[in-house]
Amino acid sequence: EAQVTQNPRYLITVTGKKLTVTCSQNMNHEYMSWYRQDPGLGLRQIYYSMNVEVTDKGDVPEGYKVSRKEKRNFPLILESPSPNQTSLYFCASSTSGKIRGWAYEQYFGPGTRLTVT
Amino acid sequence: TQLLEQSPQFLSIQEGENLTVYCNSSSVFSSLQWYRQEPGEGPVLLVTVVTGGEVKKLKRLTFQFGDARKDSSLHITAAQPGDTGLYLCAETDSWGKLQFGAGTQVVVTP
Repeated sequence: EAQVTQNPRYLITVTGKKLTVTCSQNMNHEYMSWYRQDPGLGLRQIYYSMNVEVTDKGDVPEGYKVSRKEKRNFPLILESPSPNQTSLYFCASSTSGKIRGWAYEQYFGPGTRLTVT
Repeated sequence: TQLLEQSPQFLSIQEGENLTVYCNSSSVFSSLQWYRQEPGEGPVLLVTVVTGGEVKKLKRLTFQFGDARKDSSLHITAAQPGDTGLYLCAETDSWGKLQFGAGTQVVVTP
């Protein structure tokens, strides 16, 4: 089954304790991305990756790191989490956007609900 | 960064009624996507529109892209409770950066 998986699905942690949220896709997609979703603010892009070893900042990259060493994996790293990073996080993947008008049609994972106390 | 405005923010209707939600920008879209998100799940792509004036139909859902490619609408005919969800529009620039609108929460009651 074609899918994007994220782990963990739920995480409660304390301020300053480094954590990693994993993301993996089995669709051989070149493009991968991370978003956070907050009430009233909608979905905001954190980082995206057009291909292996290529990453770019989205709208809210502060406090996050990513790496793309393999095509299928795109982990999100919070080196020193803070309470304002409490949110619902989504990973997504997409085929190349060059097919139709630079449209990167996103396939989303199930989400990771993170609480930082 | 282009700002996508969605309206209305919230829409509650009875089963069988029609509804329309809108996505607008002050700038020209290169392309536009519509997603639906149900509680506790990730958004699911409904459609991509690319050409000005384009109309796409997906069962009871009709998507229109404005001639000037600055606006789009989603019309649902004879809404059903299964249409309940958060409807999001999104646009990607040519560098792969993607931006979502804040969404329209649709509630269809039996």
